[in-house]
Amino acid sequence: ETGVTQTPRHLVMGMTNKKSLKCEQHLGHNAMYWYKQSAKKPLELMFVYSLEERVENNSVPSRFSPECPNSSHLFLHLHTLQPEDSALYLCASSRASGGANEQFFGPGTRLTVL
Amino acid sequence: GEDVEQSLFLSVREGDSSVINCTYTDSSSTYLYWYKQEPGAGLQLLTYIFSNMDMKQDQRLTVLLNKKDKHLSLRIADTQTGDSAIYFCAEKTGATNKLIFGTGTLLAVQP
Repeated sequence: ETGVTQTPRHLVMGMTNKKSLKCEQHLGHNAMYWYKQSAKKPLELMFVYSLEERVENNSVPSRFSPECPNSSHLFLHLHTLQPEDSALYLCASSRASGGANEQFFGPGTRLTVL
Repeated sequence: GEDVEQSLFLSVREGDSSVINCTYTDSSSTYLYWYKQEPGAGLQLLTYIFSNMDMKQDQRLTVLLNKKDKHLSLRIADTQTGDSAIYFCAEKTGATNKLIFGTGTLLAVQP
């Protein structure tokens, strides 16, 4: 595997379900990100982990819970979601510091909340 | 505040040049980026430019930066049907790694 991978690619869940999204990066980076992409809205940054510490949480509802057990893996735990949470969830990784810190994205998980 | 704006749609004919424009508001931007998103895929980094440069060329791609007007453009020479996608510009501000993205420009290439 190369680059940034995300699983599952598609997820349909009910409002009472609990599920988790997984992201893995094979680039040797030490910063990871979760973004939400909804139709007709700019990409929204949800969470940032740098050196496995959460450094930014952009007022995301508590029904989204991130976890970063090591620099290669990032999870987004989902619980009691709402239909408006349906979106494409993108994971990205980068170096934590220095220069352009280009962010490399995974293919995303298309989430549908019924 | 931080705001990045792009036009929503651009249509060109195959073989022509495409120019996608972006404006931003934060004068402390350090790097500016162009990403490409094809249907059903994540964002692919195409290129980036440091804020003290005014031009960067990479094969068919030319990035122009007018820092005074806070205007960024991406020119794609000899546009191909495979270039059809949504193009996002993004800015990095200050010392953090936070990127502010535009709403994206859908490029449609007509054969």
